[in-house]
Amino acid sequence: DTGVSQDPRHKITKRGQNVTFRCDPISEHNRLYWYRQTLGQGPEFLTYFQNEAQLEKSRLLSDRFSAERPKGSFSTLEIQRTEQGDSAMYLCASNFGDTLYEQYFGPGTRLTVT
Amino acid sequence: AQTVTQSQPEMSVQEAETVTLSCTYDTSESDYYLFWYKQPPSRQMILVIRQEAYKQQNATENRFSVNFQKAAKSFSLKISDSQLGDAAMYFCAFQGGSEKLVFGKGTKLTVNP
Repeated sequence: DTGVSQDPRHKITKRGQNVTFRCDPISEHNRLYWYRQTLGQGPEFLTYFQNEAQLEKSRLLSDRFSAERPKGSFSTLEIQRTEQGDSAMYLCASNFGDTLYEQYFGPGTRLTVT
Repeated sequence: AQTVTQSQPEMSVQEAETVTLSCTYDTSESDYYLFWYKQPPSRQMILVIRQEAYKQQNATENRFSVNFQKAAKSFSLKISDSQLGDAAMYFCAFQGGSEKLVFGKGTKLTVNP
């Protein structure tokens, strides 16, 4: 399968714990995006990378959230001191080039904070 | 800031019939792109159709077509000859000068056999 992959697919954690998610984009894609989708809502943009550079961050991305893409390939999204409001589906997408190219989405990581 | 509004939380259609999903958006930008994405239950989101704002001609992809009204900031999706596999959440999305997609809340489409 050469699509966008995300790991884990599901994560249950207790409030206050740290969690880390991984996204592997399509191999030739230089842009990688993170979105968050809560129940009954559309995805909301969190941040995006071009190669290893983080070019835009949403104000939704509080200080507890950090994302990296160290070698311009896979990316990690870490949430520190999780809160119940962090429960959501975290989606990763990737594409190559500019706006003309569609964003290809991964299956998402569903986070439940108890 | 751009906003995308989908006023129909749920829609249903009989198999083989036609259904139209509505979307309006608000922006001050003149160059932008509009998308419809499909999210089947427990499956990943896929692109259905894309429209460049500078193009007057409405985009068409097989059974899927759009009605793009730039002045009215309206971007509806028409699905013809609906199939059971069309059942999904449909999201309208906007992309302007920023690389991010701005999504609406979605419309859940049910296809009845």
